[in-house]
Amino acid sequence: EAQVTQNPRYLITVTGKKLTVTCSQNMNHEYMSWYRQDPGLGLRQIYYSMNVEVTDKGDVPEGYKVSRKEKRNFPLILESPSPNQTSLYFCASSLRPLSRAFFGQGTRLTVV
Amino acid sequence: DAKTTQPNSMESNEEEPVHLPCNHSTISGTDYIHWYRQLPSQGPEYVIHGLTSNVNNRMASLAIAEDRKSSTLILHRATLRDAAVYYCILCNNAGNMLTFGGGTRLMVKP
Repeated sequence: EAQVTQNPRYLITVTGKKLTVTCSQNMNHEYMSWYRQDPGLGLRQIYYSMNVEVTDKGDVPEGYKVSRKEKRNFPLILESPSPNQTSLYFCASSLRPLSRAFFGQGTRLTVV
Repeated sequence: DAKTTQPNSMESNEEEPVHLPCNHSTISGTDYIHWYRQLPSQGPEYVIHGLTSNVNNRMASLAIAEDRKSSTLILHRATLRDAAVYYCILCNNAGNMLTFGGGTRLMVKP
């Protein structure tokens, strides 16, 4: 089954404690991206990757890092989380930027 | 970046057609129009996309204005399961796309 898998689904952490949210897709897609969703602000793109070892900033990249060492995985790294990064995060993948995107189920992150 | 404008909410009766409008007056010639929907507690789900011509698939139809400055997503017979937030977004090949606006919350009454 074609899918994008995010882990964990829920995470509560403390300010400053580094964390990684994993994202994996099984469709051999080249394009992957991360979004955060906040009430009243819709979904905003954090980072995207056009292919392996190619990443670029989206609309709200501050406080986040990503890596794309292999095509299937695109982890989101928060080196020093802060409470304003409390949000619902989605990973997505598509064959190309213009193709239909598949989204993961989301990761609800709370930073206290 | 080109942006889209959608009504905040719309209401429909079950089994009636629904027309969800989207304005994108600053669309560029290479931008595709994509529609996604998000059901409660789920990630966005692809609905349909197009460039210039009207498009149909098993979920919906997409009507694109001749000048491409607006489009309409058509659900031919709304069901209760179609209650969701519908997002109209513009995508290009540059990669920094799929920025979602507020979307339209569709409510379907039985």
